[in-house]
Amino acid sequence: AQSVAQPEDQVNVAEGNPLTVKCTYSVSGNPYLFWYVQYPNRGLQFLLKYITGDNLVKGSYGFEAEFNKSQTSFHLKKPSALVSDSALYFCAVRAPWATDKLIFGTGTRLQVFP
Amino acid sequence: GAVVSQHPSWVICKSGTSVKIECRSLDFQATTMFWYRQFPKQSLMLMATSNEGSKATYEQGVEKDKFLINHASLTLSTLTVTSAHPEDSSFYICSARSLELGASEQFFGPGTRLTVL
Repeated sequence: AQSVAQPEDQVNVAEGNPLTVKCTYSVSGNPYLFWYVQYPNRGLQFLLKYITGDNLVKGSYGFEAEFNKSQTSFHLKKPSALVSDSALYFCAVRAPWATDKLIFGTGTRLQVFP
Repeated sequence: GAVVSQHPSWVICKSGTSVKIECRSLDFQATTMFWYRQFPKQSLMLMATSNEGSKATYEQGVEKDKFLINHASLTLSTLTVTSAHPEDSSFYICSARSLELGASEQFFGPGTRLTVL
């Protein structure tokens, strides 16, 4: 069965410091991986995705994520955090054959302090 | 591009009444739409998948008679919560997928907060 784990409920980082939000997955075959961000009382906004190709994926708002097949991870990173990055981040996985179903992690709340 | 809207953004209703939530793809044709439910501080749980012109496919544990989904056109899907009860209070989010935009990605609406008194 497909699953996604986000081991940290919350990540705290000072503005200007690099940030990492962790995600590991379990899926047979080559996964499709996604990161979304959610602001309070809002829907999800797409940040980036990995389908195939370069393991380092660059996305919106300066975020990037690295696909690591051996560690089954897809951690979200940003070199320099902004206070406005504070939000809820979701990692999601989709098996290549399951075109209809995204499985979401439990979310990680990122808090960036000035 | 790829904008999905939901209406209403929030709704308060009395227990026993029915509530309809609309999900529209504004600038693309959505071959498939999805309905999710999100409880406070929790992840999104897929409720059902609907393809235009056909019956929705519900996830295990989701009552199809309670959560009626209609995907009447390529730009509109509706979720009707029938005989709502306080435990149905939640944040409902729809998403849409388009073959012309690439089947790998879903575009999410802003969500509808339902409060049942």
